[in-house]
Order: sequence, then C-alpha cells, then structure tokens
Amino acid sequence: GAVVSQHPSWVICKSGTSVKIECRSLDFQATTMFWYRQFPKQSLMLMATSNEGSKATYEQGVEKDKFLINHASLTLSTLTVTSAHPEDSSFYICSARPPGADTQYFGPGTRLTVL
Amino acid sequence: QKEVEQDPGPLSVPEGAIVSLNCTYSNSAFQYFMWYRQYSRKGPELLMYTYSSGNKEDGRFTAQVDKSSKYISLFIRDSQPSDSATYLCAMSGTNAGKSTFGDGTTLTVKP
Repeated sequence: GAVVSQHPSWVICKSGTSVKIECRSLDFQATTMFWYRQFPKQSLMLMATSNEGSKATYEQGVEKDKFLINHASLTLSTLTVTSAHPEDSSFYICSARPPGADTQYFGPGTRLTVL
Repeated sequence: QKEVEQDPGPLSVPEGAIVSLNCTYSNSAFQYFMWYRQYSRKGPELLMYTYSSGNKEDGRFTAQVDKSSKYISLFIRDSQPSDSATYLCAMSGTNAGKSTFGDGTTLTVKP
C-alpha cells in the first residue's frame, strides 16, 4: 500500500527557533500533499494543501509566513515552523494522495514541543 | 454548526461486542466517505472508503452511507482489544479535494 513517512517523529526546540518537518511519499509520487495539526483529544485541522511546483494553499487563519511549505519534488514536502513559540507545540501530520487514488494516506506524525 | 458531527464518546465495550460508530454531515456535495483509525500518538490509518451511498464490508468492518439522511456508520463485529483507538470519519466532495474530518470517537474494547 501507499506509505508516507515523516521526519523527525518528535522534536523539542527553544522558543524563537525554526523547525523543519519533512513528509515523504515512499512508494508513489504525490502532486498534492496536505499538512494537518492536531491538538490532544481533538480532530485534525487542515493547515494547508501543498502542490508540487507551485505555492501552497493555506486555510483561513493559518499564517503562511509562519508555516512555510515547500513541495520541491513529487515525493517530498516540507513544513517549516518559523520563530516557534510554545503555542505552536502540537502534533503535525502530513498526508499524500497517490495519482488516481480517491483517498489520502497519512504519515506517522511529528510531535513538536517548543520550550 | 460543524459540517461533520461525530459523537466523541468515549465508548467502552466488552470484547466480542458489535460496535457502531456514526457521523452526520450537512454538505450535500460530499460524495467520498472514509473512516480512519488513529492510535495514540500515531497518524491516522485508512480503514474503509466508500463512494456515494451503499455498504462496504472488509473483514470485521462494515461501512454504510445513507446520503438521503446524510448519515454514515462504521460497524465493527467481534471487537478486539486491539480495536481500541480513536475513529475518525472523513468526507470530501471530489476525489482530489481536501477532506473534512469529524472530531473522532474514542473506543475502548475491554478484555
């Protein structure tokens, strides 16, 4: 089946630093990837849709200058949390849709803790 | 009002019970319906996928979609402790579009 990986699986950083999270589709090419954020005991909140070779589409209320998304290749999208603050601490999950597929497959998630 | 409503539970059942998980929605444009299982601190795993109305069965899992009532269900037969997880319903209007998720139902199956 379709496999999506994320790296790192968890990261702790100091307030004010930037953190990059990678999302890779391992056995398929993905023109579209999605980035979600999930707080404890809450559902997934879509942050942005990442499109290969073009700018990401951000959901309302998501700061595009704070959450930088780069979809440089058909198998890799990155999310950079710039100038991270404690309120950015969350579980970040990406997903990707294989070509011709009707559904998306999720990565294992990255837990970010900002001190 | 949310586009997708899902009872958060928690739901606790004994091993071997039949579990019924449900979601309602308001957007009549939704055509693709998914159920995901999410274990603690893990990404969601696709369980079932259905297009339009109807039933779909896969092992112990059955997904039902009733578009006329805007109601979807996931049934788990012979539930096992390993089924203990949060179950998320999701739906979308096109096969390439973004999905809208329910808040998830937390299920515990007790041995």
